[in-house]
Amino acid sequence: SQTIHQWPATLVQPVGSPLSLECTVEGTSNPNLYWYRQAAGRGLQLLFYSVGIGQISSEVPQNLSASRPQDRQFILSSKKLLLSDSGFYLCAWGGTGDTDTQYFGPGTRLTVL
Amino acid sequence: AQSVTQPDIHITVSEGASLELRCNYSYGATPYLFWYVQSPGQGLQLLLKYFSGDTLVQGIKGFEAEFKRSQSSFNLRKPSVHWSDAAEYFCAVAGAGAGSYQLTFGKGTKLSVIP
Repeated sequence: SQTIHQWPATLVQPVGSPLSLECTVEGTSNPNLYWYRQAAGRGLQLLFYSVGIGQISSEVPQNLSASRPQDRQFILSSKKLLLSDSGFYLCAWGGTGDTDTQYFGPGTRLTVL
Repeated sequence: AQSVTQPDIHITVSEGASLELRCNYSYGATPYLFWYVQSPGQGLQLLLKYFSGDTLVQGIKGFEAEFKRSQSSFNLRKPSVHWSDAAEYFCAVAGAGAGSYQLTFGKGTKLSVIP
């Protein structure tokens, strides 16, 4: 069966510091991968998605970036965090068929102070 | 572009009572529709999904949802709520992107259950 991991689970960072969040998937090959941010009362916002190694699509302009160095690894980064980057970050994987269903990881709670 | 509206921000029900959470979507073609549940501090768990066929779909934990094209709705129901159902529920619609399907979520409905 497929499993999705995210780390760290929680993170407190000062404004202006760098960020690296990691997501890995087990039990599947060539998944579509997604990064979402969830802010209080605002639902989930798609940040990035990837259909393959090195292929990243950005949905929202921001100071965040994403990379996919391996088939089942998806990384969310920032060079300098802003207060507004605080939130709950969720990684998801999905299949590549016409009936794609996305399955979510446990999330990372990021607080920028 | 697709959109999802969950009209109820917060619903409170008594344990054992029936539940219906509303979801309305906007999408130009036949939608793929989903309901997810999120417990505090956790990721999202898929409850059920609709792609085609029977408009009444069964999910996990005793939930079901009915797709009504004429009303652009996909309401979630449960005949008898348990205290463990207290959580936030998200409706989502999938639209085709570049090689993938992207989910657009509603803002969620928080469910509280009175013992």
